[in-house]
Amino acid sequence: DTGVSQDPRHKITKRGQNVTFRCDPISEHNRLYWYRQTLGQGPEFLTYFQNEAQLEKSRLLSDRFSAERPKGSFSTLEIQRTEQGDSAMYLCASNLGGSSYNEQFFGPGTRLTVL
Amino acid sequence: AQSVTQLDSHVSVSEGTPVLLRCNYSSSYSPSLFWYVQHPNKGLQLLLKYTSAATLVKGINGFEAEFKKSETSFHLTKPSAHMSDAAEYFCVVSDRGSSNTGKLIFGQGTTLQVKP
Repeated sequence: DTGVSQDPRHKITKRGQNVTFRCDPISEHNRLYWYRQTLGQGPEFLTYFQNEAQLEKSRLLSDRFSAERPKGSFSTLEIQRTEQGDSAMYLCASNLGGSSYNEQFFGPGTRLTVL
Repeated sequence: AQSVTQLDSHVSVSEGTPVLLRCNYSSSYSPSLFWYVQHPNKGLQLLLKYTSAATLVKGINGFEAEFKKSETSFHLTKPSAHMSDAAEYFCVVSDRGSSNTGKLIFGQGTTLQVKP
């Protein structure tokens, strides 16, 4: 399968714990995006990488959130001191830069439940 | 600032009847518009995209959308609904502002129910 993959698919944690999610984009894609989707809502942009550089972060991304893409390939999203409000589906997407018409390919998402 | 508004949160049709999912957009630039579909427990899948080459855009599974600049609309249609079309549909605009990150701005979604 050469699509976008995310791991884990589901994560249940207790409030206050740290969690880390991984995204593997399509191999030749230089752009990688993270989104968050809460129940009954459309996904909301969190952050964007072009190669290894993090070029934009949403105001939704509090200082408890950090994302990396160390070699311009896979990316990790870490949430420290999780809160119940962090419960959501975290989606990763990738595409080739150069045009805003380029579709983004989405992974299956990581569903986070904070108890 | 760019945004999209999906005018219906829930649409219910009978199998074999037409589907209309409505979307209005707001953009300071010539917009890049998409429709994505999300089936339960599955990832987002692109249905179609507007690239300014043609105002009537054909997508997968018989869906199409028409870009109307005068009405700032990009409604999604299908002549005949199938049970497998039941899903969540998102109208999306791509950021083409000064940062030009290409980030996607999603509407709230429309749940399509198809009755037998």
